[in-house]
Amino acid sequence: AQSVSQHNHHVILSEAASLELGCNYSYGGTVNLFWYVQYPGQHLQLLLKYFSGDPLVKGIKGFEAEFIKSKFSFNLRKPSVQWSDTAEYFCAVKDSGYSTLTFGKGTMLLVSP
Amino acid sequence: SQTIHQWPATLVQPVGSPLSLECTVEGTSNPNLYWYRQAAGRGLQLLFYSVGIGQISSEVPQNLSASRPQDRQFILSSKKLLLSDSGFYLCAWSQGNSPLHFGNGTRLTVT
Repeated sequence: AQSVSQHNHHVILSEAASLELGCNYSYGGTVNLFWYVQYPGQHLQLLLKYFSGDPLVKGIKGFEAEFIKSKFSFNLRKPSVQWSDTAEYFCAVKDSGYSTLTFGKGTMLLVSP
Repeated sequence: SQTIHQWPATLVQPVGSPLSLECTVEGTSNPNLYWYRQAAGRGLQLLFYSVGIGQISSEVPQNLSASRPQDRQFILSSKKLLLSDSGFYLCAWSQGNSPLHFGNGTRLTVT
């Protein structure tokens, strides 16, 4: 079965700091990769996704993620965070050909103004 | 456009009482439907998913069950709630390889 690891449960940054959230998955075959975000009091929203092609994926609000197949990783990055990026971030992986999505445990990001 | 409705938003139920959470999707046909439970520090745990009417796959053995009586309706149920059933329940839909789209969730507190 697929498993997803997010290395940090809590991250605290100051505004304008750079962000990198780690995500590793276990399955070695073809995968689809996602980052979801949940802002306080809101529902989960898709931030970005990777299916194939360029391993550097651009998402909304200046986020990007890089798929490194050899490392089974899909880390999320943002060069300069804002207070409004305070949220919980979830990495998710879907084995190609399967319907279900496996989520990591989430990383709570707190950006102080 | 597609929308997903999940209700109620919050629910407080005593131990031993039954449960029924409902989720409906509009604007699409034959979606894949999912029930997840979100717990602090544990991420999202897939409970059930369905690829069609009457087709339910259970990911985790537990006190809950799911049903899909209509194409765009997905129901999460329990005959007798346990304290450990408390949590935040999310319904989601997808189609093919599209990302999941989540509902607003139901906060269930079992007292």
